[in-house]
Amino acid sequence: QLQLRESGPGPVKPSETLSLTCTVSGGSISSRNYYWGWIRQPPGKGLEWIGTLYSSANTYYSPSLKSRVTMSVDTSKNQFSLRLSSVTAADTAVYYCARQPSPFTVIIAGGAFDIWGQGTMVTVSS
Amino acid sequence: QSALTQPPSVSGSPGQSVTISCTGSSSDVGNYNRVSWYQQPPGTAPKLMIYEVTNRPSGVPDRFSGSKSGNTASLTITGLQAEDEADYYCSSYSSSSFVVFGGGTRLTVL
Repeated sequence: QLQLRESGPGPVKPSETLSLTCTVSGGSISSRNYYWGWIRQPPGKGLEWIGTLYSSANTYYSPSLKSRVTMSVDTSKNQFSLRLSSVTAADTAVYYCARQPSPFTVIIAGGAFDIWGQGTMVTVSS
Repeated sequence: QSALTQPPSVSGSPGQSVTISCTGSSSDVGNYNRVSWYQQPPGTAPKLMIYEVTNRPSGVPDRFSGSKSGNTASLTITGLQAEDEADYYCSSYSSSSFVVFGGGTRLTVL
């Protein structure tokens, strides 16, 4: 059974770069027609899509975060990563990684986020 | 401000039915059937409840159903149960930004 787990270094200071990794187990991150996404949720607020990637060269980012986001994949470790630069207190949130079947092909749950990690809380504070 | 508009809250008594709306535009809900719904009880990760407008993943009760008309998608829950109390989010593929979420709706079972 496919599982995802987020990991990161802990608190981040304002203006620094937030770095998170999502480790995929029980399946291959290189599986055809599956994309991988990051979604965040500030305390007491709704879900916000950050970005999705199929490969390090095939990425989609939220227009509001595009200038600060970089996503990449490490197939040898079955992991994908998120880097968010120049963080502020507004970036404090629970960060989730999730699998997203391709919205461009005929596949079950295409475009939806069908498997989620448990989430990791990231606090931006000096 | 979210790209998809949902009511902040809905409520119903056990056994009743409730419907949550999700209004977008021709760039997302109106022209694509890649609409999904998620259930999120407090303190937990979201769970996929409906995909491609009307389809339920394995294990989701048939009390949950989805539909779409024009730029508005809807999630209907029949035979409300206490365990249905949670936040619900809609999402859609978007030709302008790839993915958009709704602001979320809190369902209270009275």
